[in-house]
Amino acid sequence: DAGITQSPRHKVTETGTPVTLRCHQTENHRYMYWYRQDPGHGLRLIHYSYGVKDTDKGEVSDGYSVSRSKTEDFLLTLESATSSQTSVYFCAISEIGDGYTFGSGTRLTVV
Amino acid sequence: DQQVKQNSPSLSVQEGRISILNCDYTNSMFDYFLWYKKYPAEGPTFLISISSIKDKNEDGRFTVFLNKSAKHLSLHIVPSQPGDSAVYFCAASARGSNSRLTFGEGTQLTVNP
Repeated sequence: DAGITQSPRHKVTETGTPVTLRCHQTENHRYMYWYRQDPGHGLRLIHYSYGVKDTDKGEVSDGYSVSRSKTEDFLLTLESATSSQTSVYFCAISEIGDGYTFGSGTRLTVV
Repeated sequence: DQQVKQNSPSLSVQEGRISILNCDYTNSMFDYFLWYKKYPAEGPTFLISISSIKDKNEDGRFTVFLNKSAKHLSLHIVPSQPGDSAVYFCAASARGSNSRLTFGEGTQLTVNP
């Protein structure tokens, strides 16, 4: 979906290095979310945002931080990557009462 | 605490037959339920939804049934087609949660020609 893009699509990084994933939307949606997908766990919420500079933790937020300085951008940062953060990361956007529109995902490998 | 659970990691059916995917939830505050479909290397895409005021919603080959007393919903696909092979996620939200969705683990559906 052209309304939401994630970058990079793939990344390999070393343990202990910082990593930032970017989500960009052109839909002007208020809500933005970061999920991770792991086998046996489905999609788990990391952090979400309900407006510029308004963010909150999800169920698996340890080791992650987020920032939203503009409506269109939601950044996910791994301050010091660990192997347990190897996963596929999805960004999603929504408005109240609507379902989510997901990005295509970022496959992150921490070696 | 897994509030939305899909107990079957995988399901295999023959083309033309019915596929039934199941989902259970524990949070009685959930009042809106959705199914998402995911192909490899793509993000999940919305398939069908149902509000708690209904017990059935149909869209072409896809029907979602909701049993509130049992806290159970199911997705029926009939007839199943090979292109339906994907991972299906059940999701739920509660009014007042800012539409935040809780997802199940997913079920890999394989439709064999």
